Amino acid sequence: KAGVTQTPRYLIKTRGQQVTLSCSPISGHRSVSWYQQTPGQGLQFLFEYFSETQRNKGNFPGRFSGRQFSNSRSEMNVSTLELGDSALYLCASSGSAPRTDTQYFGPGTRLTVL
Amino acid sequence: AQSVTQLDSHVSVSEGTPVLLRCNYSSSYSPSLFWYVQHPNKGLQLLLKYTSAATLVKGINGFEAEFKKSETSFHLTKPSAHMSDAAEYFCVVSDPGNTGKLIFGQGTTLQVKP
Repeated sequence: KAGVTQTPRYLIKTRGQQVTLSCSPISGHRSVSWYQQTPGQGLQFLFEYFSETQRNKGNFPGRFSGRQFSNSRSEMNVSTLELGDSALYLCASSGSAPRTDTQYFGPGTRLTVL
Repeated sequence: AQSVTQLDSHVSVSEGTPVLLRCNYSSSYSPSLFWYVQHPNKGLQLLLKYTSAATLVKGINGFEAEFKKSETSFHLTKPSAHMSDAAEYFCVVSDPGNTGKLIFGQGTTLQVKP
Protein backbone atom coordinates (compact mmCIF):
# COMPACT_ATOMS: atom_id res chain seq x y z
CA LYS A 1 0.00 0.00 0.00
CA ALA A 2 1.39 3.39 -0.91
CA GLY A 3 2.27 5.71 1.95
CA VAL A 4 1.32 9.30 2.59
CA THR A 5 2.51 11.60 -0.16
CA GLN A 6 3.07 15.34 0.02
CA THR A 7 3.67 17.83 -2.76
CA PRO A 8 5.70 19.80 -3.36
CA ARG A 9 8.66 18.60 -1.31
CA TYR A 10 10.41 21.96 -1.33
CA LEU A 11 9.06 25.46 -1.74
CA ILE A 12 10.59 28.93 -1.62
CA LYS A 13 8.34 31.94 -1.24
CA THR A 14 8.72 35.58 -0.26
CA ARG A 15 7.02 37.44 2.55
CA GLY A 16 3.44 38.39 1.83
CA GLN A 17 2.82 35.61 -0.67
CA GLN A 18 0.50 32.71 -0.09
CA VAL A 19 1.19 29.00 -0.47
CA THR A 20 -0.81 25.80 -0.85
CA LEU A 21 0.52 22.42 0.22
CA SER A 22 -1.03 19.10 -0.73
CA CYS A 23 -1.32 15.79 1.08
CA SER A 24 -2.62 12.44 -0.20
CA PRO A 25 -3.37 9.98 2.61
CA ILE A 26 -2.93 6.24 2.64
CA SER A 27 -5.70 4.61 0.65
CA GLY A 28 -8.73 4.06 2.86
CA HIS A 29 -7.67 6.53 5.52
CA ARG A 30 -10.18 9.28 6.16
CA SER A 31 -8.42 11.43 8.72
CA VAL A 32 -5.64 13.84 7.84
CA SER A 33 -3.72 15.89 10.39
CA TRP A 34 -1.20 18.64 9.71
CA TYR A 35 1.82 19.60 11.80
CA GLN A 36 4.44 22.32 11.67
CA GLN A 37 8.00 21.45 12.66
CA THR A 38 10.53 24.14 13.50
CA PRO A 39 13.83 23.97 15.43
CA GLY A 40 12.53 26.32 18.10
CA GLN A 41 8.99 25.07 18.66
CA GLY A 42 9.32 21.44 17.67
CA LEU A 43 6.28 19.67 16.26
CA GLN A 44 3.01 21.50 16.67
CA PHE A 45 -0.47 20.44 15.64
CA LEU A 46 -2.18 22.63 13.07
CA PHE A 47 -5.53 20.96 12.34
CA GLU A 48 -7.26 17.69 11.56
CA TYR A 49 -9.82 16.84 8.91
CA PHE A 50 -12.16 13.91 8.70
CA SER A 51 -14.71 13.35 5.94
CA GLU A 52 -14.21 16.89 4.61
CA THR A 53 -14.84 18.47 8.03
CA GLN A 54 -12.33 20.16 10.28
CA ARG A 55 -12.66 18.36 13.59
CA ASN A 56 -9.87 19.99 15.51
CA LYS A 57 -7.60 23.00 15.29
CA GLY A 58 -4.37 23.98 17.02
CA ASN A 59 -3.26 27.41 18.20
CA PHE A 60 -2.28 28.98 14.91
CA PRO A 61 -3.47 32.27 13.41
CA GLY A 62 -6.24 32.37 10.84
CA ARG A 63 -3.67 32.73 8.06
CA PHE A 64 -3.34 28.96 8.31
CA SER A 65 -6.26 27.13 6.80
CA GLY A 66 -7.02 23.80 5.24
CA ARG A 67 -9.58 21.68 3.55
CA GLN A 68 -10.26 18.09 2.66
CA PHE A 69 -11.78 16.71 -0.48
CA SER A 70 -14.18 13.83 -0.95
CA ASN A 71 -11.27 11.50 -1.84
CA SER A 72 -9.65 12.40 1.53
CA ARG A 73 -6.84 14.37 -0.07
CA SER A 74 -6.12 17.50 1.92
CA GLU A 75 -4.60 20.87 1.28
CA MET A 76 -3.34 23.50 3.65
CA ASN A 77 -2.98 27.13 2.77
CA VAL A 78 -0.91 29.82 4.39
CA SER A 79 -1.70 33.39 3.39
CA THR A 80 0.42 36.50 3.87
CA LEU A 81 3.56 34.52 4.57
CA GLU A 82 5.91 35.63 7.33
CA LEU A 83 9.55 34.72 7.84
CA GLY A 84 8.54 32.66 10.88
CA ASP A 85 6.43 30.39 8.70
CA SER A 86 9.60 28.77 7.39
CA ALA A 87 9.27 25.19 8.55
CA LEU A 88 8.79 21.58 7.62
CA TYR A 89 5.08 20.91 7.21
CA LEU A 90 4.07 17.33 7.82
CA CYS A 91 0.79 15.67 7.19
CA ALA A 92 -0.33 12.39 8.65
CA SER A 93 -3.21 10.08 7.93
CA SER A 94 -5.05 7.58 10.07
CA GLY A 95 -7.89 5.15 9.61
CA SER A 96 -11.54 5.67 10.35
CA ALA A 97 -12.03 3.19 13.21
CA PRO A 98 -13.15 4.90 16.43
CA ARG A 99 -9.97 4.33 18.40
CA THR A 100 -7.50 4.36 15.54
CA ASP A 101 -5.12 7.06 16.66
CA THR A 102 -1.99 5.77 14.95
CA GLN A 103 -0.88 8.37 12.47
CA TYR A 104 1.34 7.68 9.47
CA PHE A 105 3.39 10.59 8.25
CA GLY A 106 4.39 11.81 4.84
CA PRO A 107 7.89 13.07 3.99
CA GLY A 108 6.93 16.70 4.53
CA THR A 109 7.09 19.92 2.57
CA ARG A 110 10.03 22.17 3.38
CA LEU A 111 8.83 25.79 3.12
CA THR A 112 11.37 28.59 3.08
CA VAL A 113 10.10 32.17 3.31
CA LEU A 114 12.54 34.87 2.21
CA ALA B 1 -3.79 17.81 29.88
CA GLN B 2 -1.51 15.41 28.09
CA SER B 3 2.22 16.02 27.84
CA VAL B 4 5.48 14.19 27.31
CA THR B 5 8.97 15.06 28.48
CA GLN B 6 12.02 13.58 26.86
CA LEU B 7 14.71 13.69 29.49
CA ASP B 8 17.72 13.90 27.17
CA SER B 9 18.05 16.18 24.18
CA HIS B 10 21.13 14.33 22.96
CA VAL B 11 22.38 10.78 23.53
CA SER B 12 25.67 9.43 22.20
CA VAL B 13 26.51 5.71 22.12
CA SER B 14 29.08 3.52 20.42
CA GLU B 15 28.01 1.07 17.77
CA GLY B 16 27.10 -2.27 19.32
CA THR B 17 26.27 -0.83 22.77
CA PRO B 18 22.76 -0.51 24.25
CA VAL B 19 20.51 2.45 23.60
CA LEU B 20 18.25 4.05 26.21
CA LEU B 21 16.07 7.04 25.35
CA ARG B 22 13.98 8.28 28.25
CA CYS B 23 10.44 9.61 28.19
CA ASN B 24 8.00 10.57 30.94
CA TYR B 25 4.38 11.30 30.23
CA SER B 26 1.50 13.04 31.90
CA SER B 27 -2.02 11.95 31.08
CA SER B 28 -5.44 12.18 32.65
CA TYR B 29 -6.57 9.19 30.63
CA SER B 30 -5.23 5.76 29.90
CA PRO B 31 -2.83 6.97 27.25
CA SER B 32 -1.81 5.78 23.83
CA LEU B 33 1.92 6.31 23.60
CA PHE B 34 4.19 6.16 20.58
CA TRP B 35 7.79 6.43 19.56
CA TYR B 36 8.58 7.88 16.15
CA VAL B 37 11.95 8.28 14.45
CA GLN B 38 12.99 10.97 12.01
CA HIS B 39 16.05 10.61 9.84
CA PRO B 40 17.58 13.80 8.40
CA ASN B 41 15.33 15.49 5.85
CA LYS B 42 12.72 12.76 6.18
CA GLY B 43 9.25 12.42 7.62
CA LEU B 44 8.38 10.56 10.80
CA GLN B 45 8.39 6.78 10.92
CA LEU B 46 6.42 4.88 13.55
CA LEU B 47 8.67 2.68 15.70
CA LEU B 48 6.10 1.31 18.12
CA LYS B 49 2.83 1.98 19.93
CA TYR B 50 1.51 1.24 23.42
CA THR B 51 -2.21 0.69 23.79
CA SER B 52 -2.51 -1.11 27.16
CA ALA B 53 -2.51 -4.63 25.70
CA ALA B 54 1.00 -5.32 27.03
CA THR B 55 3.42 -3.20 29.01
CA LEU B 56 6.44 -4.29 26.96
CA VAL B 57 6.01 -3.24 23.37
CA LYS B 58 8.21 -4.48 20.56
CA GLY B 59 8.76 -2.29 17.55
CA ILE B 60 10.65 -2.28 14.32
CA ASN B 61 14.44 -2.52 13.91
CA GLY B 62 14.96 -4.17 17.30
CA PHE B 63 13.53 -1.34 19.39
CA GLU B 64 11.23 -1.91 22.33
CA ALA B 65 9.66 0.22 25.04
CA GLU B 66 8.26 -0.54 28.47
CA PHE B 67 5.22 1.24 29.86
CA LYS B 68 5.53 1.82 33.61
CA LYS B 69 2.41 3.43 35.03
CA SER B 70 3.87 3.84 38.53
CA GLU B 71 6.76 5.84 37.10
CA THR B 72 4.75 7.45 34.27
CA SER B 73 7.56 6.43 31.95
CA PHE B 74 7.82 4.97 28.47
CA HIS B 75 11.53 4.54 27.81
CA LEU B 76 12.82 3.29 24.45
CA THR B 77 15.61 0.71 24.35
CA LYS B 78 17.64 -1.31 21.90
CA PRO B 79 20.22 -3.91 22.89
CA SER B 80 22.80 -3.03 20.25
CA ALA B 81 23.04 0.23 18.33
CA HIS B 82 23.73 0.36 14.60
CA MET B 83 25.11 3.30 12.68
CA SER B 84 21.80 3.50 10.83
CA ASP B 85 20.01 4.23 14.13
CA ALA B 86 21.46 7.75 14.21
CA ALA B 87 18.40 9.99 13.98
CA GLU B 88 16.00 12.06 16.05
CA TYR B 89 13.49 10.19 18.20
CA PHE B 90 10.17 11.52 19.42
CA CYS B 91 8.05 10.26 22.28
CA VAL B 92 4.41 11.04 21.54
CA VAL B 93 1.07 10.83 23.34
CA SER B 94 -2.34 11.01 21.74
CA ASP B 95 -4.99 13.24 23.23
CA PRO B 96 -8.35 11.45 23.25
CA GLY B 97 -10.04 14.72 24.11
CA ASN B 98 -8.55 16.32 21.02
CA THR B 99 -9.33 14.31 17.95
CA GLY B 100 -6.45 13.77 15.55
CA LYS B 101 -3.94 15.59 17.73
CA LEU B 102 -0.64 14.06 18.74
CA ILE B 103 1.48 15.74 21.40
CA PHE B 104 5.20 15.46 20.81
CA GLY B 105 8.17 15.58 23.11
CA GLN B 106 11.03 17.86 22.14
CA GLY B 107 12.99 15.00 20.63
CA THR B 108 16.22 13.18 21.43
CA THR B 109 19.05 13.16 18.93
CA LEU B 110 20.81 9.82 18.93
CA GLN B 111 24.42 9.84 17.81
CA VAL B 112 26.08 6.49 17.09
CA LYS B 113 29.87 6.47 17.04
CA PRO B 114 31.83 3.82 15.14
